[in-house]
Amino acid sequence: AQSVAQPEDQVNVAEGNPLTVKCTYSVSGNPYLFWYVQYPNRGLQFLLKYITGDNLVKGSYGFEAEFNKSQTSFHLKKPSALVSDSALYFCAVRVSGYSTLTFGKGTMLLVSP
Amino acid sequence: GAVVSQHPSRVICKSGTSVKIECRSLDFQATTMFWYRQFPKKSLMLMATSNEGSKATYEQGVEKDKFLINHASLTLSTLTVTSAHPEDSSFYICSAITHWTGREGSNQPQHFGDGTRLSIL
Repeated sequence: AQSVAQPEDQVNVAEGNPLTVKCTYSVSGNPYLFWYVQYPNRGLQFLLKYITGDNLVKGSYGFEAEFNKSQTSFHLKKPSALVSDSALYFCAVRVSGYSTLTFGKGTMLLVSP
Repeated sequence: GAVVSQHPSRVICKSGTSVKIECRSLDFQATTMFWYRQFPKKSLMLMATSNEGSKATYEQGVEKDKFLINHASLTLSTLTVTSAHPEDSSFYICSAITHWTGREGSNQPQHFGDGTRLSIL
């Protein structure tokens, strides 16, 4: 079975400061990892993915994530937060081949002016 | 690219009504579509996976006679909530992917619709 943990229900950061949203995973096999963002009353928007290759993945809107195999983590980061980054962020995982995408519970990011 | 359109965005109807939600992939062929349900401040719960031209695969605990899914073409899947009741009120989101099977399928992100807010009075 595969699972994703997002240990923080909410992350608060001041605008201009770096942000980190944590994600750890558990799978049997090589993981394919994704980050999505959800704005109120909207669907999910794809931010970035890790399939293979460089551990640091760059995505949309200045976000990046670092894959750490030994710690089974895939934390989302941004060097300088914007108020408009405030939203619900989901980490997700699946393995190669046939499997369902498993989502974490989500982390609300609040960026204050 | 990779746009998924979901319609309607909001539905308010009386108990006992059946409600149909459409999910369309606008610029790609969606061999597989997924239907999720999201409760307030909660994660997404996968309801079912549908492959074009075949019956949907429902997750455990999801009533297939209650939530009818049809995936008749490579660009359209529908979810019909039959005889809806207040407990069916929720945010329903569809997503689509192409080339689901095999390694290539695993590389592709799912593309999501904007969701449908269903309120049953």
